[in-house]
Amino acid sequence: GQQVMQIPQYQHVQEGEDFTTYCNSSTTLSNIQWYKQRPGGHPVFLIQLVKSGEVKKQKRLTFQFGEAKKNSSLHITATQTTDVGTYFCAGGGFKTIFGAGTRLFVKA
Amino acid sequence: DAGVTQSPTHLIKTRGQQVTLRCSPISGHKSVSWYQQVLGQGPQFIFQYYEKEERGRGNFPDRFSARQFPNYSSELNVNALLLGDSALYLCASISTGTYNEQFFGPGTRLTVL
Repeated sequence: GQQVMQIPQYQHVQEGEDFTTYCNSSTTLSNIQWYKQRPGGHPVFLIQLVKSGEVKKQKRLTFQFGEAKKNSSLHITATQTTDVGTYFCAGGGFKTIFGAGTRLFVKA
Repeated sequence: DAGVTQSPTHLIKTRGQQVTLRCSPISGHKSVSWYQQVLGQGPQFIFQYYEKEERGRGNFPDRFSARQFPNYSSELNVNALLLGDSALYLCASISTGTYNEQFFGPGTRLTVL
């Protein structure tokens, strides 16, 4: 069946450093969504990408959708302690499949 | 995610028991999805309901069932609980716009002893 894989599993950064998480699907995706989950919280919708090669920015966050619509990335510039949490990508239409997530640790 | 409510917040059950979890979506949303999230993993899709009809089902046994009511609220039922059912159960309210964003509720933490 369809799989969505994320790397890395964990990332430790110093505050101010950049961070990137990568998402790869075994099949072409109609869209991809990104979520953030703080420790002890629930996933919070960040963005959805639909078009091949699409790039969207939200302040320090940059989201990309690959040309083949099988991969995506989230890049955070100059991380802050408030960026701590787990970042999930998800795709697959209404039977949404989530990746395992990348947990971000930020050291002040 | 504002406006999605789930109850109860926490629940402790023993093996073999049955549990019912409840979800109220954001006003105006007609579709909800249920997910199971085991600690350290991503949410796993269980069901999606739209206009009271099951639209999709994930790879979960028949012990899991759900329904959606005329007011679009939803219930998830799990019978014959197993230790492995211990997880955070999340309800997502799905927007009716172009992109069908999912807005998650706070979840119900189920512990099976």
